Order: sequence, then C-alpha cells, then structure tokens
Amino acid sequence: DAKTTQPTSMDCAEGRAANLPCNHSTISGNEYVYWYRQIHSQGPQYIIHGLKNNETNEMASLIITEDRKSSTLILPHATLRDTAVYYCIVRVHETSGSRLTFGEGTQLTVNP
Amino acid sequence: NAGVTQTPKFRILKIGQSMTLQCAQDMNHNYMYWYRQDPGMGLKLIYYSVGAGITDKGEVPNGYNVSRSTTEDFPLRLELAAPSQTSVYFCASSHPDRQETQYFGPGTRLLVL
Repeated sequence: DAKTTQPTSMDCAEGRAANLPCNHSTISGNEYVYWYRQIHSQGPQYIIHGLKNNETNEMASLIITEDRKSSTLILPHATLRDTAVYYCIVRVHETSGSRLTFGEGTQLTVNP
Repeated sequence: NAGVTQTPKFRILKIGQSMTLQCAQDMNHNYMYWYRQDPGMGLKLIYYSVGAGITDKGEVPNGYNVSRSTTEDFPLRLELAAPSQTSVYFCASSHPDRQETQYFGPGTRLLVL
C-alpha cells in the first residue's frame, strides 16, 4: 500500500469548511483513496473514497489532484460533532479480504 | 439493523486469564475483521475472515485465536492474557463487493493487570 502523510492536527471554526490534506505521492494506478474518521472512544466510520475523479456524498467531498499524489477531504460546514481523528488510507481493491492500514491520522478540532 | 455489536464494553483481566470477545453483525457481510488500537495509535489488524470456516492472520495475531462458524459471529479469544494486550478492540465487517467500506463496532476496552 502507498504510504500516506497527514498533518497531526488541525483546527476549524464551526460552520466553516474543514479541508484536510493527505499526501500519497507513491500511489499506484489501481489504488483508491479512502477516508475514515474516528470520534473519541468510538469505532472508525467510513466517510468517502475515490480513484481519480472528485467525489461527493452526504458527509463530505473528496478532491484528488490530477496526478493523484495528494487529496483533500472537505467537510463543507463543520460542526462540533465533526471533531475526530481523520484517516486517509490508500488501498487496492482486494478480492480476498481487505486489510485497511490506519496510520495516526489528523486530529480535527472544530471550535465554537 | 443493529450493525456490528461487541460485548463486553469493558473488561479487566488478570495476567494469565483467558476470555472471549464477542462480535456479531446482522448485515449478512461475508468479511469480518478484528483490530486493536493502543492509546494514541492507529488500528492494527489482528485476524480477519472472508466467510464462515475461513480465517487468516493479520498484522499482530500472536496471543489471539479466532473462529468463524457462522456468517454473523466472529469471536476473538485471548488464551493467556498479558499486559501488552491492554488495548481497545474493534470488530468490523464488510460486503465482499465493497471490502474497503468497513463497518465498525463500538469496541471493547480491555485492561490486563
């Protein structure tokens, strides 16, 4: 799996967009970018994933650069409940059980 | 749907004791996983299963055993608890067509003294 680099921590004001960067400069052509988050003391929660194109769902948007070496997760209107550790994971789609590798992620703190 | 459920929520064990962490899912997912998370760290895969009767080791399997007799249940067994196994344990499941979209349980906090 390609290695990912994320900032250790970020702050965001409530109601503003939170933009969380992830660097994956060694990503290969068949690897997807996945984002999960973990609210304190809870299990991780899937947010979004993408291969090349930008993606949007009800939780967030994922912007992947044209060279695919980095991506940004966007929470358009951050709330206090979005305070969590956000994990960027790069992974091929397996056929026999996918083992996600969680790094240390980015601690996002949304401030009132 | 209850999703992925785990019991117990919290447990204290003495060194050398054994216990089974229970995990169940009601989404008819073939794939199930056990992770552990040490304080301030990311998750590490212990074991995973791609279906009933099939299990395989993950990154940190030593000291643990698993079984998968049904699609719904995937218990994790600690035979001789050690302080190094103090951690939070998360169970997860996924559909075979969307393996990387994993649904996690609430976790079991284990303290070994």
